[in-house]
Amino acid sequence: DAGVIQSPRHEVTEMGQEVTLRCKPISGHDYLFWYRQTMMRGLELLIYFNNNVPIDDSGMPEDRFSAKMPNASFSTLKIQPSEPRDSAVYFCASTWRGRNSPLHFGNGTRLTVT
Amino acid sequence: QKEVEQNSGPLSVPEGAIASLNCTYSDRGSQSFFWYRQYSGKSPELIMSIYSNGDKEDGRFTAQLNKASQYVSLLIRDSQPSDSATYLCAVNWGRDDKIIFGKGTRLHILP
Repeated sequence: DAGVIQSPRHEVTEMGQEVTLRCKPISGHDYLFWYRQTMMRGLELLIYFNNNVPIDDSGMPEDRFSAKMPNASFSTLKIQPSEPRDSAVYFCASTWRGRNSPLHFGNGTRLTVT
Repeated sequence: QKEVEQNSGPLSVPEGAIASLNCTYSDRGSQSFFWYRQYSGKSPELIMSIYSNGDKEDGRFTAQLNKASQYVSLLIRDSQPSDSATYLCAVNWGRDDKIIFGKGTRLHILP
């Protein structure tokens, strides 16, 4: 089992640029979550999908953020335009049976916006 | 409105002692509760899940859940230096599959 795979591991970009983060969930998992972690705010839920459909995006901070899941094995989180306050570690996690099963996290993407 | 609350610490515990970590949550409808451990620079990893009131033991770890008091705790017996990490409490929100995390408690085991 390859686990949840995220790319890139690190991303450094300038303010105003578009950033795309990628995630491949564990095969057979039907739930996918995107989280953002900072020292100040901890691990915040941005959005989650069930069977490729976005269920709750209330944590997406603003219209600059968008997420898609075109198929069961791939999801993207896009920030456009990026701002310095978007600097954080972004985690993707997957599970099956929703709340009745624990989350499996990817290694995260550390985003730095200068 | 705080949803999942944890003391940020750091909590310092001597090696070999019991470490006690606490978490409270605000939604009475929550049904699933998890403890994750996160080492610096790494991703969270599951330690325990608990769904029913009472205690659940797994090796040196015991999770305790009290839904009436909206309280969940994690006890670590015979604490080891390798237990030094941040411990995250996670709760599903109401009857949804949305999983919300507390900000975590930093635990430091003193050799």
